[in-house]
Amino acid sequence: DGGITQSPKYLFRKEGQNVTLSCEQNLNHDAMYWYRQDPGQGLRLIYYSQIVNDFQKGDIAEGYSVSREKKESFPLTVTSAQKNPTAFYLCASSMMGVGYEKLFFGSGTQLSVL
Amino acid sequence: QKEVEQNSGPLSVPEGAIASLNCTYSDRGSQSFFWYRQYSGKSPELIMSIYSNGDKEDGRFTAQLNKASQYVSLLIRDSQPSDSATYLCAVNPLNQAGTALIFGKGTTLSVSS
Repeated sequence: DGGITQSPKYLFRKEGQNVTLSCEQNLNHDAMYWYRQDPGQGLRLIYYSQIVNDFQKGDIAEGYSVSREKKESFPLTVTSAQKNPTAFYLCASSMMGVGYEKLFFGSGTQLSVL
Repeated sequence: QKEVEQNSGPLSVPEGAIASLNCTYSDRGSQSFFWYRQYSGKSPELIMSIYSNGDKEDGRFTAQLNKASQYVSLLIRDSQPSDSATYLCAVNPLNQAGTALIFGKGTTLSVSS
């Protein structure tokens, strides 16, 4: 079945540690996205990528990094510079083209600080 | 800063009633609009998309768009307890391929049986 796989489902970060959230899709979508969701809040864009080896910062990119070495994969690293990383992280993908912006979401990763 | 605004709620309706959720957006050039439903602890799922002024119906759901007023709404007819969730309004602000959607903070709907 086609879809987006995020792992792990739960992740704990120690002070000063970098952690990487995985996102893989087999939908053959060109565009991939990372959103952050805090309790009672909507989704805020961290990074997005429209093509391999290229990505753009979203509204809250500070303290995060991404790579897009393969079309299927868009991992997110939460660095030690992100001082408040506790949140629900959602990866999504979409086709390119107006009218095709429907986002397909993964099941999310809940990141907490130890 | 492009914005999407929603009342956070909670919006409480009895079973069988019509639930009306509203959304306004700041970028007048926006062309694509979406409603997502999100259950607690789960990822959002798309329930409606709308691109033209007027109404679009899909089962018990109707999306309404008024670009002149920069207003999008979602009506849920014959509301069921299973409709209890947070509803997120999302907008494509640039009408460009691969542009990331901007989301509102969501409205929490509670349907009582």
